[in-house]
Amino acid sequence: DAGVIQSPRHEVTEMGQEVTLRCKPISGHNSLFWYRQTMMRGLELLIYFNNNVPIDDSGMPEDRFSAKMPNASFSTLKIQPSEPRDSAVYFCASSSEDSLTASPNTEAFFGQGTRLTVV
Amino acid sequence: GQSLEQPSEVTAVEGAIVQINCTYQTSGFYGLSWYQQHDGGAPTFLSYNALDGLEETGRFSSFLSRSDSYGYLLLQELQMKDSASYFCAVRGVVYAGNNRKLIWGLGTSLAVNP
Repeated sequence: DAGVIQSPRHEVTEMGQEVTLRCKPISGHNSLFWYRQTMMRGLELLIYFNNNVPIDDSGMPEDRFSAKMPNASFSTLKIQPSEPRDSAVYFCASSSEDSLTASPNTEAFFGQGTRLTVV
Repeated sequence: GQSLEQPSEVTAVEGAIVQINCTYQTSGFYGLSWYQQHDGGAPTFLSYNALDGLEETGRFSSFLSRSDSYGYLLLQELQMKDSASYFCAVRGVVYAGNNRKLIWGLGTSLAVNP
């Protein structure tokens, strides 16, 4: 497997523009996470999907952010309109979790991230 | 609230041993994980402790004391390539359906000097 695939790797956009980040999780993984990483705030969980259903979106900063997972092999994170303070590295991660037994030692596999710069 | 505390920076020399501590305060505890992240790279999984004691994986070991809400990552025979950020993460709050939230520390930047 190629691992978690994110696109684009780098994105530079102007304030006010819409930005869409894409993620393909590892095949067979049923949990998907979107994280944002900055020097000041570290790794922040934005949203967590399990079996394509959003379980926790409490980390989504505001209504400008939205995420979808239309099927098990694809997810998007959209920012509309983008602002300079959204500049960060956005990571997608996936893992295999059984929600019934919830084996706790499931490792999360991260994509290489999208470095977003909003000017 | 929920928080994990770890030192922001650690410096050591090649061949030395370094210990990175992590203390946590979370609603529920189901395991402590450690991840490594090189500059410009993605976090990668290093180790996991669910029970008290030491887990060893090559040059890296991880320890947990649940009664003290404390764990550490021990890196031995340090190499230059070990220069990276190291994150502890705790599985804490339980969502519906037994899904558990991974809560992250802010990371420790390790610099290994010749």
